[in-house]
Amino acid sequence: QSALTQPASVSGSPGQSITISCTGTSSDVGSYNLVSWYQQYPGKAPKVMIYDVSKRPSGVSNRFSGSKSGNTASLTISGLQAEDEADYYCCSYAGSTTWVFGGGTKLTVL
Amino acid sequence: QLQLQESGPGLVKPSETLSLTCTVSGGSISSSSSYWAWLRQPPGKGLEWIGTIYYSGSTYYNSSLKSRLTISVDTSKNQFSLNLGSVTAADTAVYYCGRLQKPGTFDYWGQGTLVTVSS
Repeated sequence: QSALTQPASVSGSPGQSITISCTGTSSDVGSYNLVSWYQQYPGKAPKVMIYDVSKRPSGVSNRFSGSKSGNTASLTISGLQAEDEADYYCCSYAGSTTWVFGGGTKLTVL
Repeated sequence: QLQLQESGPGLVKPSETLSLTCTVSGGSISSSSSYWAWLRQPPGKGLEWIGTIYYSGSTYYNSSLKSRLTISVDTSKNQFSLNLGSVTAADTAVYYCGRLQKPGTFDYWGQGTLVTVSS
């Protein structure tokens, strides 16, 4: 199980949109629609923002959206706000009841 | 509201066994729609899935840790536990317990507990 690949950092100005990619393989991201995204503030536990590739949990802003194409999943945040500055992690089912996370992306709101 | 709370020693000596317990409140660990998971995050690094258990006792482990890992469940206490043997400094991390809601979302997390491996 190799970690999914995410950019180490992304940045954007308030109001803009950003996209974070998450690249896996045909054994994980490419084979299952079980990709989730987590937001983590420093010193806090992660919080699910997107699950099953593109579904939003109740209470999560509709500024957050997810998609997948082939072996790459993406998280898009539109109308960027200061409160969105955090670390973001993708996670995918990898078969045989195992799971793999991405290395994480630090989002900076300029 | 479901809550999870990790407990256990914050300091473990090298070569010894790291043991943590997660207590689940506000819901039953015997839910058929849930698995229960351990995850960890080394300081300044990313998240790693350690393993998962179903209330029946079925376990699923990260292959990189499997030889040192045991996860168990106690439904009478609404708890599940982690034992990781032969620890080294590389096992120093914040350890989280969480709920893996079928088919595949880690939707509830404990607050996390820092475990340091040092003599």
